[in-house]
Amino acid sequence: GAVVSQHPSWVICKSGTSVKIECRSLDFQATTMFWYRQFPKQSLMLMATSNEGSKATYEQGVEKDKFLINHASLTLSTLTVTSAHPEDSSFYICSADGGRDHVGGELFFGEGSRLTVL
Amino acid sequence: GQNIDQPTEMTATEGAIVQINCTYQTSGFNGLFWYQQHAGEAPTFLSYNVLDGLEEKGRFSSFLSRSKGYSYLLLKELQMKDSASYLCAVRDSNYQLIWGAGTKLIIKP
Repeated sequence: GAVVSQHPSWVICKSGTSVKIECRSLDFQATTMFWYRQFPKQSLMLMATSNEGSKATYEQGVEKDKFLINHASLTLSTLTVTSAHPEDSSFYICSADGGRDHVGGELFFGEGSRLTVL
Repeated sequence: GQNIDQPTEMTATEGAIVQINCTYQTSGFNGLFWYQQHAGEAPTFLSYNVLDGLEEKGRFSSFLSRSKGYSYLLLKELQMKDSASYLCAVRDSNYQLIWGAGTKLIIKP
């Protein structure tokens, strides 16, 4: 099946620093990638939709200047959490849209990145 | 607004059968997905329904009624490893996935 790789899996950083998370589709081209955040015992919350070569579309309440998304190629999207604060500590997950070439146009998820801001 | 409802938590016994329900109200419909998510891990795809009826895949089956805005996931011969959260998600008319809050399934010996 299709594979999406997300890196890093775990990251601990100091308050005020920036953290970059990468999401790669390994064996298919993903024109659309999604970034989610999940707090403990809560559901996935869509942060933004990223289309290759264009600006990301952010969900209401998500600060685009704080969560920078770059989708420079059909296989790579990055999320940068700028000036991170403890309240940004969460589980960040990316997914890539397999499109209609895959059964049901299902999403393929990366492994997730757990961010802890001290 | 768009809304997906599923029970917060369910408990079942190893070897038994459990049905997890999902009701939805979305702007348009382009398919319903069930995902399994173990704590601290990304969701994994279980099933996809776009037409009414039952889709069976091994121990797992998923049912859809579009007229009722209703789906269920049926898990048979429950195993301890089935303890996880089960997420219902619907693709709306914009092809965006709308997620339910998930149902935490606890399996007891």
